[in-house]
Order: sequence, then C-alpha cells, then structure tokens
Amino acid sequence: DADVTQTPRNRITKTGKRIMLECSQTKGHDRMYWYRQDPGLGLRLIYYSFDVKDINKGEISDGYSVSRQAQAKFSLSLESAIPNQTALYFCATSDPPSGATDTQYFGPGTRLTVL
Amino acid sequence: LAKTTQPISMDSYEGQEVNITCSHNNIATNDYITWYQQFPSQGPRFIIQGYKTKVTNEVASLFIPADRKSSTLSLPRVSLSDTAVYYCLVGDMWGYGGSQGNLIFGKGTKLSVKP
Repeated sequence: DADVTQTPRNRITKTGKRIMLECSQTKGHDRMYWYRQDPGLGLRLIYYSFDVKDINKGEISDGYSVSRQAQAKFSLSLESAIPNQTALYFCATSDPPSGATDTQYFGPGTRLTVL
Repeated sequence: LAKTTQPISMDSYEGQEVNITCSHNNIATNDYITWYQQFPSQGPRFIIQGYKTKVTNEVASLFIPADRKSSTLSLPRVSLSDTAVYYCLVGDMWGYGGSQGNLIFGKGTKLSVKP
C-alpha cells in the first residue's frame, strides 16, 4: 500500500552495528505497528503504538526499540544487530476501532540481513 | 488472548471452492474474527472480518457458527492468483487493557492453487 512507506527496502549490515528502520504513513492513522517475518514462522509483533504518547511491547521486543516521532512516523531500532535479527520487517497502521473493523494496512517491507 | 489453530497448508485446483477453517476455542465475548491474505514478500492484506453468522464481500465469505469457537473462510472458484498464505486473527478492537489477539498473526495456512 503506497500510503505506508518503509525505508530502506533492503539493508545489509554487520553484527554489532546500530540500525534504524523507518516507517511513514499518509493515512492519518493513530495506530502503528512493527512486525518481523521469518520463513516458516509467520509474522510476529515487535512493538505497537496506539498514539504518539503510547508505546507497547509485542511478542518479541527484546533487542529492539522504537520511537514514535509523530503521528505519521514510527521507527524501529536495532541497537546492536545480531545475525538472528535477519528477517523481513513490516510496518503497519490502523484506525482506532469504529464499528466492527480495525483493519491493518501494511507497508512493502524491509529486508534486513545481518552478517 | 484467544489462540487460533489453522491447517499449515492446503492444496486446490483452479475453479474449486476452498474452505479454510480456524479453531479458536477460547474466543472472548468482545472478540472479532479477521482474515488476512499474504503474497510472498508483501505485507498481509485484509480480506474479511466478522463477529457471528455469515459475512460476505466481493472476495470471500466468512462463516461463524453460533458458539463462535471456529470460523471458516470460503474462497469461491479460486484461481492461481489466490495462491498465498491466509491468516486467522481473533481479538477485540479496543486494545487498551484488553486482548491484542487481533495483532497476532501466527503461521497461517499456505494455500497452493494448481492448474
């Protein structure tokens, strides 16, 4: 979905380096999320934010940190990258619940390789 | 947190109807059932959502029995382009202090459609 952009799209880095993945959205949504996907493991939630002042840990937050700089921007940082953080990372956004639907809209993903 | 169980994989042929069942025995009163579709190297895309009985849209139907302990995603007359991973999520829409099951994707069901 072009309304949710992620940068970079691909990144190769070395063990111990600090890495930041950025997500921007033009949908005007309050809620933003970071997921990682590994082959055979599906998507796993890292962090989520329901508004600029709200940050919550997901299933696998260890080794990651996030920053919600504005409603439209949500960054994921790996302070000291390690090889098992090699994965496909997705950012998503959603509206606060209204009626019965709270749909998540996903970005195109960032493929991160840690050597 | 409502746990979901889906088949790991399914095979079908073009033109057939495909039914994917998801079990969620401990679904809570406020939980909705949401299905997403994911193609390789893309983020998941919302397909359909429901609370009870039957929901239909231009893409699929969702059947939910009275006890809501399971749900079935029905894809009519599948084509090769329906080959994807399908995720069943169960959770409430509010998030704050409640279930975040609607953020837990799990491993999904890999559907392969053959000519």
